[in-house]
Amino acid sequence: EVQLVESGGGLVQPGGSLRLSCAASGFSFSRYWMSWVRQAPGKGLEWVANKKEDGSEKYYVDSVKGRFTISRDNAKNSLYLQMNSLRGEDTAVYYCARVGAVGFWYFDLWGRGTLVTVSS
Amino acid sequence: SYELTQSPSVSVSPGQTASITCSGDKLGKKYVCWYQQKPGQSPILVIYEDTKRPSGIPERFSGSNSGNTATLTISGTQAMDEADYYCQAWDSNTVVFGGGTKLTVL
Repeated sequence: EVQLVESGGGLVQPGGSLRLSCAASGFSFSRYWMSWVRQAPGKGLEWVANKKEDGSEKYYVDSVKGRFTISRDNAKNSLYLQMNSLRGEDTAVYYCARVGAVGFWYFDLWGRGTLVTVSS
Repeated sequence: SYELTQSPSVSVSPGQTASITCSGDKLGKKYVCWYQQKPGQSPILVIYEDTKRPSGIPERFSGSNSGNTATLTISGTQAMDEADYYCQAWDSNTVVFGGGTKLTVL
C-alpha cells in the first residue's frame, strides 16, 4: 500500500526540541521530492519545508529558517524534521507529503499527521 | 512574499454548481492545485496543474486558471463535497497555500 506514516509528535516546552519522522512505503521514495506541511488548530495549511530526491536542495518557510532542519534517509525510506527552539506558534499537526511532480509542485500523497503541542 | 487569497466561505444547494476562487498576482502564469479537507482528515488533491483531476476524483470537480484568478468548480454538488478547500501554487522556491474556503452544502 502506498502510504506515509508520521511519528514523533507530542508535548514540548517552549524552547525545546522535537524530531518528527515520516516512513514511506509502497513507492520509490528516492525518486520524489518530499515536504512537511503543518496546520495549526482550526487554521489553514502552511508549507514548512521541501527536500530534493537526492538531498542536495532544501527550502524552508521563513518562520522556521534557522530552527528547523529537514533531512531524509533514502535507504530507510524516511523523511525527518528536526525542530529546535520551538515556540507556541509551532503548535500544529505536521503532515508529511509527497511532491507529485517537480516543476508543478503539488502534493499527491499525504500522511495522517502527527500533533506537536508547544506549551509550558 | 507571494500571497493567495480565498473567500472564507461559500454556500451551495445540493445539485447546484459551486465556484471557489483563488486570487494572486499573475496567478495565471503559475500552476495551481486544489485540495479538499474534511474535518479530522488529511488533505486530498482534487485538481493539479490548473485543470487535471487525479485518479479517483469525480468528474464534477474541474479547475481553471487565468489572469489573477484560479477557480475550482464543483458541478452537481453533493452533500459529501462539504469540506474545506485550499488552493496552492509555487513561487520562488516556496510553496504557498490560500487561506482556505469552507464549502457548505445547504
